Amino acid sequence: SQQGEEDPQALSIQEGENATMNCSYKTSINNLQWYRQNSGRGLVHLILIRSNEREKHSGRLRVTLDTSKKSSSLLITASRAADTASYFCALPDGSNYKLTFGKGTLLTVNP
Amino acid sequence: DAGITQSPRYKITETGRQVTLMCHQTWSHSYMFWYRQDLGHGLRLIYYSAAADITDKGEVPDGYVVSRSKTENFPLTLESATRSQTSVYFCASNPSIRGMNTEAFFGQGTRLTVV
Repeated sequence: SQQGEEDPQALSIQEGENATMNCSYKTSINNLQWYRQNSGRGLVHLILIRSNEREKHSGRLRVTLDTSKKSSSLLITASRAADTASYFCALPDGSNYKLTFGKGTLLTVNP
Repeated sequence: DAGITQSPRYKITETGRQVTLMCHQTWSHSYMFWYRQDLGHGLRLIYYSAAADITDKGEVPDGYVVSRSKTENFPLTLESATRSQTSVYFCASNPSIRGMNTEAFFGQGTRLTVV
């Protein structure tokens, strides 16, 4: 199994700004997932992008996937204080539905 | 309540004691997982289960035991707790629909402190 690596480790922005975080990986995948974790809570699934998709949107979230560069990015537009959380990319392990998580990006949105 | 629930939410135990963390899901998802989350390590998979009576080791299984006699329950037991097992433990499930990429659903976590 492989672990995605998120970048940056921490990001601090002002409310209304956009936040971009990246995930790099090493071997081919059939999908990549992004999760959010608010402080003291469990992880919540945000978006899943398949290997044949280049971009996907969900509300203020935009995820891109570049399989040639083995990287994905998560863009949060017009950020809010409530977006303050850790964001993780997760890679599936073959057909076993196991997910391997990166160490996450801690996003702080200042009001 | 529908979903995945963990109990207890907080637990303090002494070194050497046996402790069991409970996980219950109401969806009848096939796959269930236990992760631990530690600063600097992110989430690491301890054990997982593909169905009732089928379990397998993850990345960090030593010192842990799991069972899955019923689809909806996946308890995690620390046979003899050590301080290094102080962590936040997350249970998760996945509907694992054949031929589809599916997401995982997480419980709220159990914060375990071993003193």
